[in-house]
Amino acid sequence: QVHLVESGGAVVQPGRSLRISCEASGFSFRNHGMHWVRRAPGRGLEWVAVIYYDGSTKEYADFVKGRFTVSRDNGKRKLYLQMDSLGVDDTALYLCARDRTMYYHGMDVWGQGTMVSVSS
Amino acid sequence: QSVLTQPPSMSAAPGRLVTISCSGTNSNIGINSVSWYRHLPGTAPKLLAFDNNKRPSGVPDRFSASKSGTSATLGIAGIQSGDEADYYCGTWDSRLSQWVFGGGTKLTVL
Repeated sequence: QVHLVESGGAVVQPGRSLRISCEASGFSFRNHGMHWVRRAPGRGLEWVAVIYYDGSTKEYADFVKGRFTVSRDNGKRKLYLQMDSLGVDDTALYLCARDRTMYYHGMDVWGQGTMVSVSS
Repeated sequence: QSVLTQPPSMSAAPGRLVTISCSGTNSNIGINSVSWYRHLPGTAPKLLAFDNNKRPSGVPDRFSASKSGTSATLGIAGIQSGDEADYYCGTWDSRLSQWVFGGGTKLTVL
């Protein structure tokens, strides 16, 4: 069964860093692009980043460029999001999602998310 | 302000048909395929349609999707109480080099 499980969410202070993870099972992880998407309280889905199947290309939403870094370890079947200089507006449920293809043609499997709260 | 425009909310009585619109531009919907998702907070989002009009296995045929020019539409026939959720369109924006979602449509079943 295809599964994505996020972890690492926490309450952090503004300006601090946090790394969240997503562990994949039930499919060939190395053959799929992977996305991070977030949903802040009271708001809609907001795309954060995508990484190609081999890690060769990464694209980011404008609001995280220079602060967040997406990476993957195909041997461990894991996706990561390193978040630096966190602000209160980054408070959200962070979801990882599998792309249907090796690149960025749309998500077809999602995790349930891990909560990140930025507060002093 | 989302790149793709959806109505913020819609409502329908059980058994009726609802169509949710998604409006974009020539740099996103106009040249890339559209996907539709349903999200109920507390659960994992679910793919309802991809490549403009294809249904994943397991999605009932009362869900249909289409695209014309720079707009897309999701239709839900025979509305049920379990259809109450937030619905999102999404596609790649080639000018931004980013995936973009619509702002979401909250569907209420009367």
